[in-house]
Amino acid sequence: QKEVEQNSGPLSVPEGAIASLNCTYSDRGSQSFFWYRQYSGKSPELIMSIYSNGDKEDGRFTAQLNKASQYVSLLIRDSQPSDSATYLCAVPNSGGYQKVTFGTGTKLQVIP
Amino acid sequence: ETGVTQTPRHLVMGMTNKKSLKCEQHLGHNAMYWYKQSAKKPLELMFVYNFKEQTENNSVPSRFSPECPNSSHLFLHLHTLQPEDSALYLCASSQGLVTDTQYFGPGTRLTVL
Repeated sequence: QKEVEQNSGPLSVPEGAIASLNCTYSDRGSQSFFWYRQYSGKSPELIMSIYSNGDKEDGRFTAQLNKASQYVSLLIRDSQPSDSATYLCAVPNSGGYQKVTFGTGTKLQVIP
Repeated sequence: ETGVTQTPRHLVMGMTNKKSLKCEQHLGHNAMYWYKQSAKKPLELMFVYNFKEQTENNSVPSRFSPECPNSSHLFLHLHTLQPEDSALYLCASSQGLVTDTQYFGPGTRLTVL
């Protein structure tokens, strides 16, 4: 059973601070990783994807990947109240199966 | 809007009813997915269709029956559901590879009485 683990939170950060969201996965063969954001009552939307070890930056968001440690993280700089949502880590399964395993998500609260 | 629509948005049904959920994607994608999202649980993949062919059935009870008449439309037929089936049902689509981004519809909030 492929697993993706996240701290469910809530993670509370003050406005303007850096929010750090973490995810570990069990499938060593996974090659791509996704972060989705889900507002309450809404469907998930893609924020970032990352395929190579290291950092990938997109605006205020930075994804970090360490395949050796099976660890992927999402940093949100200058956090805004509008960033308050649940962040889902998603890992496509290796081995030819057309399946993506999602974590339970981390709820982020940005306090004004 | 992501280009994936779902109807109805809300559904209340009794355990003896038969209903269907509909999903349509306007993105030209080849793969479509049904997910179940329950409180405190991760998104659970139910079914995957690639080029209209079912490629994944994640041990879903037979009271859920998917149908994919073409690459743009996906249905989930429901019958004799249980109260524990109450959840948000999400449809998604992608180009077709497992590594492709999935685009989600708004979901159907299902309540089984």
